[in-house]
Amino acid sequence: GAVVSQHPSRVICKSGTSVKIECRSLDFQATTMFWYRQFPKQSLMLMATSNEGSKATYEQGVEKDKFLINHASLTLSTLTVTSAHPEDSSFYICSARDQQGAGTEAFFGQGTRLTVV
Amino acid sequence: GEDVEQSLFLSVREGDSSVINCTYTDSSSTYLYWYKQEPGAGLQLLTYIFSNMDMKQDQRLTVLLNKKDKHLSLRIADTQTGDSAIYFCAGTLEGYQKVTFGTGTKLQVIP
Repeated sequence: GAVVSQHPSRVICKSGTSVKIECRSLDFQATTMFWYRQFPKQSLMLMATSNEGSKATYEQGVEKDKFLINHASLTLSTLTVTSAHPEDSSFYICSARDQQGAGTEAFFGQGTRLTVV
Repeated sequence: GEDVEQSLFLSVREGDSSVINCTYTDSSSTYLYWYKQEPGAGLQLLTYIFSNMDMKQDQRLTVLLNKKDKHLSLRIADTQTGDSAIYFCAGTLEGYQKVTFGTGTKLQVIP
């Protein structure tokens, strides 16, 4: 089945630095990908919708200047956490759906655990 | 928008059946999913059901959908310790790819 690959799986960074997370659809094209954030013991919250070739759509309360999203190709979206702070420490997950396929499954990456120290 | 709610915790004994419940608000939700998340891992799709179905069975998993009450349940037969995880129900609308997740139910299986 379709696979979404997310990298890195874990990252530790210092406060004030930026971290880039990649999300790739391996065997299908995704004009739209989604970025979620999961706080400990909580559900997944949609952060933004990443649109290939255009600006991302951010959910209310998500700072677009802090969480930069770039969807440069039909198989790659990146999320950059800029000037990271400890409160940005979280589990970030991307997802995509194969628009050409007949299935309805939303495929998820493995997630990235970000720890800001 | 869609709201999806679940109970937070469920504890069962190994070999018993587990039933995880979910309610949603948007009656036009077309696809309803159950995902499993093991500690520190991403999401694994367990099963999904179309809104025009009442029930779907896949090996040990049975999904029941009551559209009138906007209630979705996941039954795991013969629950094993490897089933211990957080289970999320989720919904999406036709043609609208955003998936809205429930709060997640932590399933603890006691040996």
